[in-house]
Amino acid sequence: GESVGLHLPTLSVQEGDNSIINCAYSNSASDYFIWYKQESGKGPQFIIDIRSNMDKRQGQRVTVLLNKTVKHLSLQIAATQPGDSAVYFCADRQWTGNQFYFGTGTSLTVIP
Amino acid sequence: TGVTQSPTHLIKTRGQQVTLSCSPISGHRSVSWYQQTPGQGLQFLFEYFSETQRNKGNFPGRFSGRQFSNSRSEMNVSTLELGDSALYLCASSPSGGLRELFFGEGSRLTVL
Repeated sequence: GESVGLHLPTLSVQEGDNSIINCAYSNSASDYFIWYKQESGKGPQFIIDIRSNMDKRQGQRVTVLLNKTVKHLSLQIAATQPGDSAVYFCADRQWTGNQFYFGTGTSLTVIP
Repeated sequence: TGVTQSPTHLIKTRGQQVTLSCSPISGHRSVSWYQQTPGQGLQFLFEYFSETQRNKGNFPGRFSGRQFSNSRSEMNVSTLELGDSALYLCASSPSGGLRELFFGEGSRLTVL
């Protein structure tokens, strides 16, 4: 089955530093990827997405990098703020399917 | 407005059944359901598009769902078990090709 994993379950960064959250996926048929942020007691919030025909996409303070060769996805958060503290998930979709596969999540803690 | 789920919290006992409701973002025709637990993360239940179930995850037949003509969706769990305690998340997507999945805040089910 699909395996979407994260390299580290927890990550602590100083306020103002940049954060990098990594994700590995196993299925080469995955063609679309999303990063989500989930705060305690809330549903996952869409952050940014990327299609497999791209290797980089930027949003507001966030950048997603996709390396299809090694099936690796990363989320970079610039100038991390306390409000960025949350669990971050990556999710992928296979072009043949109508479902997303989610990683287990990385808990990001921002230290003031 | 975003994806709306109800109820937000509920407590049931083993053997009972429960129905959860989801109203997608206006104009979104695809609705997906996920179960989130601390140990398993987000697990796909099913996805509906235009009142048709397009995909189903690996859950027993006690888990069922449906979608109405206005795209609103319900899921039902019968003969509840303790292990069904979880956060049930609904997500909607704007297009037939599943992408940009937007989640509601979830329904927290506790089975006693």
